[in-house]
Amino acid sequence: RKEVEQDPGPFNVPEGATVAFNCTYSNSASQSFFWYRQDCRKEPKLLMSVYSSGNEDGRFTAQLNRASQYISLLIRDSKLSDSATYLCVVILSGGSYIPTFGRGTSLIVHP
Amino acid sequence: DTGVSQNPRHKITKRGQNVTFRCDPISEHNRLYWYRQTLGQGPEFLTYFQNEAQLEKSRLLSDRFSAERPKGSFSTLEIQRTEQGDSAMYLCASSPPVGAGATDTQYFGPGTRLTVL
Repeated sequence: RKEVEQDPGPFNVPEGATVAFNCTYSNSASQSFFWYRQDCRKEPKLLMSVYSSGNEDGRFTAQLNRASQYISLLIRDSKLSDSATYLCVVILSGGSYIPTFGRGTSLIVHP
Repeated sequence: DTGVSQNPRHKITKRGQNVTFRCDPISEHNRLYWYRQTLGQGPEFLTYFQNEAQLEKSRLLSDRFSAERPKGSFSTLEIQRTEQGDSAMYLCASSPPVGAGATDTQYFGPGTRLTVL
């Protein structure tokens, strides 16, 4: 089993739709979690951190479920500009510091 | 521009040649990471520096790969005797010191695209 798994998609949705991605991780000692966005042929950029209590930034909501070992990203009212690959990142703390990326989920928002 | 910079942006080389890439992190960031990314995959961790110390190195990393950060500022990644399987995007990222706000946030450079013929 891979350490961090994501459905590669693509998720093909119309403008205005709500879409959700999940990311599962295998190491229960994981402490830090993030969602990054990567546009085609560009570098990844931080979208948001994921906190235990969940967090929201405008149309984006991230949640962490430690019991089931997954994080989620919800995008409401999708825009054409949301089309990108969404990468989840899991970091262990207190010892080996190796950020582990998922393979990314591709989102295509169409008119 | 105060972001992470990488040079060169593109490198084409023949199999068996050595290549070296450079990364200049954000100036106040003492943590630096190297990743490799191939098409359809997420960035794969290669190595991690805190200041000049190399604290982590992927066990998947071949002995042909070596990284340095001699003065705790810029870093270099060298690949010796390149193989076609080394063709990938090599990304560098930096993070602020522990205790400085969003400490685990990584800021990525634009990457160096390596093609091995």
